[in-house]
Amino acid sequence: EAGVTQFPSHSVIEKGQTVTLRCDPISGHDNLYWYRRVMGKEIKFLLHFVKESKQDESGMPNNRFLAERTGGTYSTLKVQPAELEDSGVYFCASSQGQGAGQPQHFGDGTRLSIL
Amino acid sequence: GNSVTQMEGPVTLSEEAFLTINCTYTATGYPSLFWYVQYPGEGLQLLLKATKADDKGSNKGFEATYRKETTSFHLEKGSVQVSDSAVYFCALSANTGNQFYFGTGTSLTVIP
Repeated sequence: EAGVTQFPSHSVIEKGQTVTLRCDPISGHDNLYWYRRVMGKEIKFLLHFVKESKQDESGMPNNRFLAERTGGTYSTLKVQPAELEDSGVYFCASSQGQGAGQPQHFGDGTRLSIL
Repeated sequence: GNSVTQMEGPVTLSEEAFLTINCTYTATGYPSLFWYVQYPGEGLQLLLKATKADDKGSNKGFEATYRKETTSFHLEKGSVQVSDSAVYFCALSANTGNQFYFGTGTSLTVIP
């Protein structure tokens, strides 16, 4: 089975520009998550989709970040306008079910560099 | 609140040495605990997990035991190999939500 795929693997943009990250979860996984790791710190939760609905977006840093999951399949995370502090690695994960014991399957991440 | 603290790296070991990476947690309720590994150029892979106190997760020679009394989930391996060089992340999933809480990651380099 194909794993979680993320595109692009690396993006370099200038401050003020817009970037859109894409995540394709494992087929059949209703739960999709976005996380971010900034400058070697801990990986932090951004938001959680169940199918096309946002279940929890408590980790979204501000309104420059917009996540969508139209049709409940792939998801996009748009940053507009990008700021220097948005640099980091953005991970997407998916899981079949919910609950504390459910492992999440991660993609390779998108490394975002804001100049 | 929920949080994970893991030992600072980087850690450098010789091949066949014993490995311990410490992880302690704070959580409301009864969390599940995980170790993920990130090999160079790759994404996070689940290494092992434990869902209740005294459970031992194991995989690829790595082990970790869920210790409720010390709120710990230390990762151990008896004899590391060069191929174990990676960044290791401890994580918890609380029973009150679905998000994972991660530690800062510990970079391990094993030299021949």
